[in-house]
Amino acid sequence: KAGVTQTPRYLIKTRGQQVTLSCSPISGHRSVSWYQQTPGQGLQFLFEYFSETQRNKGNFPGRFSGRQFSNSRSEMNVSTLELGDSALYLCASSLKQDSPLHFGNGTRLTVT
Amino acid sequence: SQQGEEDPQALSIQEGENATMNCSYKTSINNLQWYRQNSGRGLVHLILIRSNEREKHSGRLRVTLDTSKKSSSLLITASRAADTASYFCATEKASNYQLIWGAGTKLIIKP
Repeated sequence: KAGVTQTPRYLIKTRGQQVTLSCSPISGHRSVSWYQQTPGQGLQFLFEYFSETQRNKGNFPGRFSGRQFSNSRSEMNVSTLELGDSALYLCASSLKQDSPLHFGNGTRLTVT
Repeated sequence: SQQGEEDPQALSIQEGENATMNCSYKTSINNLQWYRQNSGRGLVHLILIRSNEREKHSGRLRVTLDTSKKSSSLLITASRAADTASYFCATEKASNYQLIWGAGTKLIIKP
């Protein structure tokens, strides 16, 4: 069974631009969560989608948005990029609540 | 602020020794999970222990959960260089199923 796939692996963007990251969950997993990881703030929860609906949301500004498609694939978008958005963005899928998360290898975003 | 807190923040031991990491949390939980992360990569699930369980084993890993003290420990026995990684605990809140993450313990195994 293929694991969680995140694309692209690396991204370099300029302040003010926008970016879209993609995540393909494990087949059969309907829940997809997104996290931001930085050395200073650790692992911060962005949002979780289940069956195309946002089920939970972290404390991030509205510049961070996401969506989930009918095939459970998910995208997250960050608009008006800031230097502080430089981070490793991780996607994870799970079968249901009360079950482990399966993470992708992340997208490393650098904002210059 | 994050519910889970791990200690120590960093741990350096000799290969072959045992490593113990602790995690504390604040609210009622459904389960507590431990993950490992190698540098710059995604997290890998290690063990999930439910609130009605006290101890769980997986190979060289042993996890205990004390709900009265709201704490858990992860023991890695007979450590190997390949165990060098950051270890995170995550608690699933009973109220809304949200996962709350600790800041992680950085484990270094010296050959």
